[in-house]
Amino acid sequence: NAGVTQTPKFRILKIGQSMTLQCTQDMNHNYMYWYRQDPGMGLKLIYYSVGAGITDKGEVPNGYNVSRSTTEDFPLRLELAAPSQTSVYFCASSSRTSGTNTGELFFGEGSRLTVL
Amino acid sequence: GQNIDQPTEMTATEGAIVQINCTYQTSGFNGLFWYQQHAGEAPTFLSYNVLDGLEEKGRFSSFLSRSKGYSYLLLKELQMKDSASYLCAAMDSNYQLIWGAGTKLIIKP
Repeated sequence: NAGVTQTPKFRILKIGQSMTLQCTQDMNHNYMYWYRQDPGMGLKLIYYSVGAGITDKGEVPNGYNVSRSTTEDFPLRLELAAPSQTSVYFCASSSRTSGTNTGELFFGEGSRLTVL
Repeated sequence: GQNIDQPTEMTATEGAIVQINCTYQTSGFNGLFWYQQHAGEAPTFLSYNVLDGLEEKGRFSSFLSRSKGYSYLLLKELQMKDSASYLCAAMDSNYQLIWGAGTKLIIKP
């Protein structure tokens, strides 16, 4: 049972570089999310997707892009990295069928990104 | 605006009981979640309350009062492995989770 898999676990970027954080889930979940977590702060939603081909902005989308071409994959793209994007990034998925609101999130292990 | 408040840090003794409080303000309400997060790890689901009252699950219990915008997580028979951050999150009318900053629980022998 792989669950939610994120890569890479650690990455150091230089200012202005770009990179993609990969996220894959094998639970056939329709909802997928990208969060960032800064020290002493709550999780902030960057982007989310309710199904393949559908994505929407969260609370802090600036500087990021996503795509959802398949149910399984939800990559997060950082363009022109800035020091403010130094954070821990978590991908998560959940299953929510019509009429149910369980919302339990399954998280990946996290990707620790430093921009210097 | 939407807001979640919970204490930043709490300390308790091994074997004791601790209660972590959470107050929330959201646009609409579709449930209150508690997650546990050990240092350097991902959050893991603990509990979900959508109706008023107490939900018990082993050593952990979670309480909700919708009229007061209040929840607590009760941990009994504390063990050293319970040292972690506990995240409170409320689901708003758009089924989005609003997260608190987390309560760091330190367990002393």
